Amino acid sequence: EVQLVESGGGLVQPGGSLKLSCAASGLTFSTYAMHWVRQAPGKGLEYVSAISYNGGSTYYANAVKGRFTISRDNSKNTLYLQMGSLRAEDMAVYYCARDGRPGDLDYYYGMDVWGQGTTVTVS
Amino acid sequence: DIQMTQSPSSLSASVGDRVTIACRASQSIGGYLNWYQQKPGEAPKLLIYGASTLQTGVPSRFSGSGSGTDFTLTISSLQPEDFATYYCQQSYNTPVTFGPGTKVDIK
Repeated sequence: EVQLVESGGGLVQPGGSLKLSCAASGLTFSTYAMHWVRQAPGKGLEYVSAISYNGGSTYYANAVKGRFTISRDNSKNTLYLQMGSLRAEDMAVYYCARDGRPGDLDYYYGMDVWGQGTTVTVS
Repeated sequence: DIQMTQSPSSLSASVGDRVTIACRASQSIGGYLNWYQQKPGEAPKLLIYGASTLQTGVPSRFSGSGSGTDFTLTISSLQPEDFATYYCQQSYNTPVTFGPGTKVDIK
């Protein structure tokens, strides 16, 4: 079974840092681009960041650029999101998701496998 | 940035109803439009990509259409498990953006 499991969420003070992880199983992790999407309490979905299958390309939403860093360790089948200078508006459930097709970062096919999410509280 | 809007923001419907949700992009995005379903407390689920291609395993009562700036998600016969919030997402360029969502609940 293809599965993504996020961890690392928690309570952090404004200005603090947190590192999220997303462990993948049941898929050839190293062949897929990966994404982070977040959802503030009671709000809609907001795209955060993406990384190509080999880590060579990354993308950040303007809201997190310069504060968040996406990375991956294909030997550990794990995706990361290092978050710094956290603000109240970063408080959300953070989901990792798989790109819809193996290969280079390509948003066309959507995000077809999602984790259950990990909650980040900034207070 | 490309802005996405959805209408209506919410709707009430009965089991068996035909339901249509509209999504509009602030500029032409060709067919780079995806639809997701999200139930409370759950992660989103990809329903349709490329405006009209049904994701594997998604029931055929779901369909998508449109191109350019105007798109539609249709549920031909609403089932109890379809009560959820639906989001469109443009994948034409970055930043990837989502619509605000349409909540479908029980009449």
